[in-house]
Amino acid sequence: GEDVEQSLFLSVREGDSSVINCTYTDSSSTYLYWYKQEPGAGLQLLTYIFSNMDMKQDQRLTVLLNKKDKHLSLRIADTQTGDSAIYFCAEFPRHTPLVFGKGTRLSVIA
Amino acid sequence: GAVVSQHPSWVICKSGTSVKIECRSLDFQATTMFWYRQFPKQSLMLMATSNEGSKATYEQGVEKDKFLINHASLTLSTLTVTSAHPEDSSFYICSAREDRGHRETQYFGPGTRLLVL
Repeated sequence: GEDVEQSLFLSVREGDSSVINCTYTDSSSTYLYWYKQEPGAGLQLLTYIFSNMDMKQDQRLTVLLNKKDKHLSLRIADTQTGDSAIYFCAEFPRHTPLVFGKGTRLSVIA
Repeated sequence: GAVVSQHPSWVICKSGTSVKIECRSLDFQATTMFWYRQFPKQSLMLMATSNEGSKATYEQGVEKDKFLINHASLTLSTLTVTSAHPEDSSFYICSAREDRGHRETQYFGPGTRLLVL
């Protein structure tokens, strides 16, 4: 079945890099996504990666994909207090709803 | 990215009343929309998949007579919580799927916080 696993908590100091890891199970997912949820808000699409890529960089965000191990990571460079949020990894088997992990709560210490 | 709106953003109601939540895709057409429920400090729980012009598909354990879903157009889906009770208090988030052929993406609304007294 489909399952997405993430660590639940991550705490980093302001200015350091944050790395959030995720494992997924469905190898048919063409795209993999990272969403950010700030307190009391909906989910904001942060970035995505196509399954035939192994890396994607978008400003402070770097997504790494190891398709063989079904491992996805999100690196946030120069983490700021405004990056404190819950980050959801999601796989998207075609024509079905997104399958989410439980979310990683990132706390940034000033 | 595409924009999905929800209305209202929060609502407080008395037990026994019904509450309607609207979800709109503002700059794209969505043949499929999804309704999620989120409890504090938990992930999103998919309640139902709503397809334009047809009946919604509910996830196991979700009462279809309790949570009425209507997807009357390609840009609007509504969720009605009928005869709401305090245990229905939650954060409800809708999502709309944009299909560009080569890539599908789900965009989320800002959520509706429901408090039933």
